[in-house]
Amino acid sequence: DAGVIQSPRHEVTEMGQEVTLRCKPISGHNSLFWYRQTMMRGLELLIYFNNNVPIDDSGMPEDRFSAKMPNASFSTLKIQPSEPRDSAVYFCASRQTGSSVDYGYTFGSGTRLTVV
Amino acid sequence: DAKTTQPNSMESNEEEPVHLPCNHSTISGTDYIHWYRQLPSQGPEYVIHGLTSNVNNRMASLAIAEDRKSSTLILHRATLRDAAVYYCILRNTDKLIFGTGTRLQVFP
Repeated sequence: DAGVIQSPRHEVTEMGQEVTLRCKPISGHNSLFWYRQTMMRGLELLIYFNNNVPIDDSGMPEDRFSAKMPNASFSTLKIQPSEPRDSAVYFCASRQTGSSVDYGYTFGSGTRLTVV
Repeated sequence: DAKTTQPNSMESNEEEPVHLPCNHSTISGTDYIHWYRQLPSQGPEYVIHGLTSNVNNRMASLAIAEDRKSSTLILHRATLRDAAVYYCILRNTDKLIFGTGTRLQVFP
């Protein structure tokens, strides 16, 4: 199992540009989560999906952020337009819900976003 | 979400046991106690979880107080690779909400 795969690993973009972060969850996992980590605010849950449906997006900072999950094997987090304060490490995680055994959340290696 | 309190940092020597405490005095009956750790430049990693009884796995042990208002993550023999931030999290929904955690330093 390759785990949760995120791309790109690093992204540097100019303020005002559109940024798209990608995530491939573990096959068979039916819940997907997007987190953001900064020194000031720590790890913040942005949005999560169950069975490809957004369940809770209360952590999304503002309308510039949007997330989609068109199918069970792919999700995107888009920032348009990007701002320097969006610079952070963005993590994707997946989990299998409804199982009698809880193996926890599996996180990807993250995308380090720098907006200049 | 019920709140947890952890020390900001702890230190250990290699090959010694480490006891990482967590207080959660407002825990509810349906809250599971989860522990994750984050190694430098990596995403968080699941360590262990429990509800009422003590739990063991290949990574660590989880000791839960009888009143469930506190718990302790036990690393039986710390290695340099165990240096990380350890998060104690209460969860009763799909959401995993992280606090500030305990930064563990391991010295050779």
